[in-house]
Amino acid sequence: KAGVTQTPRYLIKTRGQQVTLSCSPISGHRSVSWYQQTPGQGLQFLFEYFSETQRNKGNFPGRFSGRQFSNSRSEMNVSTLELGDSALYLCASSFEPTATNYGYTFGSGTRLTVV
Amino acid sequence: QKEVEQNSGPLSVPEGAIASLNCTYSDRVSQSFFWYRQYSGKSPELIMSIYSNGDKEDGRFTAQLNKASQYVSLLIRDSQPSDSATYLCAVLPRDYKLSFGAGTTVTVRA
Repeated sequence: KAGVTQTPRYLIKTRGQQVTLSCSPISGHRSVSWYQQTPGQGLQFLFEYFSETQRNKGNFPGRFSGRQFSNSRSEMNVSTLELGDSALYLCASSFEPTATNYGYTFGSGTRLTVV
Repeated sequence: QKEVEQNSGPLSVPEGAIASLNCTYSDRVSQSFFWYRQYSGKSPELIMSIYSNGDKEDGRFTAQLNKASQYVSLLIRDSQPSDSATYLCAVLPRDYKLSFGAGTTVTVRA
């Protein structure tokens, strides 16, 4: 059974550019959440999608956006990149919304470096 | 006050000993609690979940939950070098935004 797949694994972008990250959840999982992980702030919730609807959003600026497709795959977009956006972006999937009973399975992440 | 706080590490234990990790949370109506393990350079991996007061055991791991004290802990018995990792406590609060603690790094000395 394939796990959560994130692409690309590594990305280097310049300030001001935009970036799109992709996440394919485990087959059958309809909930996809995105997290930003940095050494200083730890894991911070970005947003959660379930059945193509954004169910929850974290405290990030509007430059961070996402969407989910009918096949449950999700993309996250960051526009007007800032140096502080450099982080590991993790996608996680679950059977159910908010992973109340089963927790999340995380992908390997996309390491974004903004220069 | 942070939503989820973990005891600061790093925690160093000898092989075969018990490692004890603690976590407190601020939202008293939180309903689901998880422990994740993250090896250096890897993504978090779910190792335990607990939803009701008391103890839950899975192999060498025991999670303990006390909702009245807003406290959840993880015990690792017979610690092995392969247990050396950062352990993240995660709590699902009333707003359903799964919140993680900063993590406790455990080193098991052979």
